[in-house]
Amino acid sequence: EADIYQTPRYLVIGTGKKITLECSQTMGHDKMYWYQQDPGMELHLIHYSYGVNSTEKGDLSSESTVSRIRTEHFPLTLESARPSHTSQYLCASSDGVGYTFGSGTRLTVV
Amino acid sequence: AQRVTQPEKLLSVFKGAPVELKCNYSYSGSPELFWYVQYSRQRLQLLLRHISRESIKGFTADLNKGETSFHLKKPFAQEEDSAMYYCALSYSSASKIIFGSGTRLSIRP
Repeated sequence: EADIYQTPRYLVIGTGKKITLECSQTMGHDKMYWYQQDPGMELHLIHYSYGVNSTEKGDLSSESTVSRIRTEHFPLTLESARPSHTSQYLCASSDGVGYTFGSGTRLTVV
Repeated sequence: AQRVTQPEKLLSVFKGAPVELKCNYSYSGSPELFWYVQYSRQRLQLLLRHISRESIKGFTADLNKGETSFHLKKPFAQEEDSAMYYCALSYSSASKIIFGSGTRLSIRP
């Protein structure tokens, strides 16, 4: 079934560790996005991509990085996790009409 | 700069009562507006788009360019409408979307 998948759903990790949050979609969408959302707060765009080998930073500054080597895959990496990175990270893709969101990764850095 | 404002963090109404979730935006161009909904333990999903001018689950939203508003309305609330609702604005060729801070709608029996 065409969908967008995020793994892991939950992640608790120690300070200083390198982590990669996975996001894959099987809808063939060119545009993909990462949002950061604290509980009960608005979503902030941190990265987006027009297509393969195209990535841009979003409106909210983030220490994370992304890559887009394949259309379907848009992973987000934190080289050295810190407690301030604790948040929910939502991945989305778009065909230019509306967004389809993944289930999110709730990250806790201890 | 573009901005979406949802003034109510929480809205609680009785079942069967009318519902209106407020959304105001600021954008110098021609806006494309959406309402997204997140039910408990489910992912964020599109509820409706202003250009579709459709009614989804009894909800409607009209774009008022004079008041720069896109309020979401339903004449008779149902318990299953309890959820988090986000108003969103699309801009730029990258189809970037910015979201409001959300309104939690709680329907009391």
